[in-house]
Amino acid sequence: NAGVTQTPKFQVLKTGQSMTLQCAQDMNHEYMSWYRQDPGMGLRLIHYSVGAGITDQGEVPNGYNVSRSTTEDFPLRLLSAAPSQTSVYFCASSYSWQGAYTFGSGTRLTVV
Amino acid sequence: GQQVMQIPQYQHVQEGEDFTTYCNSSTTLSNIQWYKQRPGGHPVFLIQLVKSGEVKKQKRLTFQFGEAKKNSSLHITATQTTDVGTYFCAGTNTGNQFYFGTGTSLTVIP
Repeated sequence: NAGVTQTPKFQVLKTGQSMTLQCAQDMNHEYMSWYRQDPGMGLRLIHYSVGAGITDQGEVPNGYNVSRSTTEDFPLRLLSAAPSQTSVYFCASSYSWQGAYTFGSGTRLTVV
Repeated sequence: GQQVMQIPQYQHVQEGEDFTTYCNSSTTLSNIQWYKQRPGGHPVFLIQLVKSGEVKKQKRLTFQFGEAKKNSSLHITATQTTDVGTYFCAGTNTGNQFYFGTGTSLTVIP
């Protein structure tokens, strides 16, 4: 049982480049979400999904897109990377939006 | 929007001392969760509190949910070096989003 798997673990991008952070879970969780973690800011919600085909914006959605074509996968796309998007990104899933969240191991992204 | 504030931001304690972190919300919460993140790691779920005034214990950890359901606390008795990490609360009132606090970073000095 792998839980929540995130790839890559580390990434360096140049300003203006685009990329996709991958997230997959094998627990048949309906609820999935993306957070970014910055020093002193805690975890801020970027986008979330309550089930396949349904996504919605969180607190800090600008510059990011998501899709949920299957229950298992919830990729996060950076459209045009900016230095302000340098952060650690966590994907999390839960059986419901009020349930316990299982987090992936994170992606450390640096935009130069 | 909803805000969940957590204090203190940092805490250094001698091994064996107690530690408490507090979580306060601007609105009434339907439930609250606590997570621990080890240095370099990812948040790991500890517990969820739902009822007003609820108290739950996990070994040396005691979690409380305030009577008004606007605040919560995590108390660790006799800290150990294994307690090092950042402790986050996460709460929600309506809708389907949890809002995380800013976290309390605990350092335990041997």
